[in-house]
Amino acid sequence: EVQLVESGGGLVKPGGSLRLSCAASGFTFSDYSMNWVRQAPGKGLEWVSSISSGSSYIYYADSVKGRFTISRDNAKNSLYLQVDSLRAEDTAVYYCARAFPYGSGWYLDYWGQGTLVTVSS
Amino acid sequence: EIVLTQSPGTLSLSLGERATLSCRASQSVSSTYLAWYQQKPGQAPRLLVYGASSRATGIPDRFSGSGSGTDFTLTISGLEPEDFAVYYCQHYGSSRRVTFGPGTKVDFK
Repeated sequence: EVQLVESGGGLVKPGGSLRLSCAASGFTFSDYSMNWVRQAPGKGLEWVSSISSGSSYIYYADSVKGRFTISRDNAKNSLYLQVDSLRAEDTAVYYCARAFPYGSGWYLDYWGQGTLVTVSS
Repeated sequence: EIVLTQSPGTLSLSLGERATLSCRASQSVSSTYLAWYQQKPGQAPRLLVYGASSRATGIPDRFSGSGSGTDFTLTISGLEPEDFAVYYCQHYGSSRRVTFGPGTKVDFK
């Protein structure tokens, strides 16, 4: 059974940092691209970042570029998101999601339950 | 950058009724890269349809997707209690970035 379990969220002051983690199991982690998607309270979904299976290709939403860093450790079956220079508008539940390859793109076929990041003074 | 618009914002229906949800793209997109997700309160999203019309694993056949170009539709033929949720369309772009629509909430009439 595919499982994705996020951790690392919490309350942080504006300008602060956190490192989010996603532990994967039930599939060959090193075969899949992975993503982070966030959802502000009461709002819709916003894609944040993606990383290819071997970390060669990394992409970010414009809203987080230069502040967030995605990475992975295939030996540990883990995905990470380093979030720096946090702003109030970064407050959200952060989901990790597996990318299901289709055509030359992908879809998000498995999601974790999310970890809440709250940015407030 | 592709912008996705979903309508209506809220759809109020009764059990057994047919739900028709619309997703419109700001420019023509390949149906290969259009997907639909369902999200219930307090839960993560779940992939329903990819490639505009292919159901994901385990998705009941009352869910169907269609469309091309700029106009796509998710149809639920006969609402079940577990179908009352928010539905998002999603596009995977040539820039390797993903866009979600704002969502349509399906609730009890």
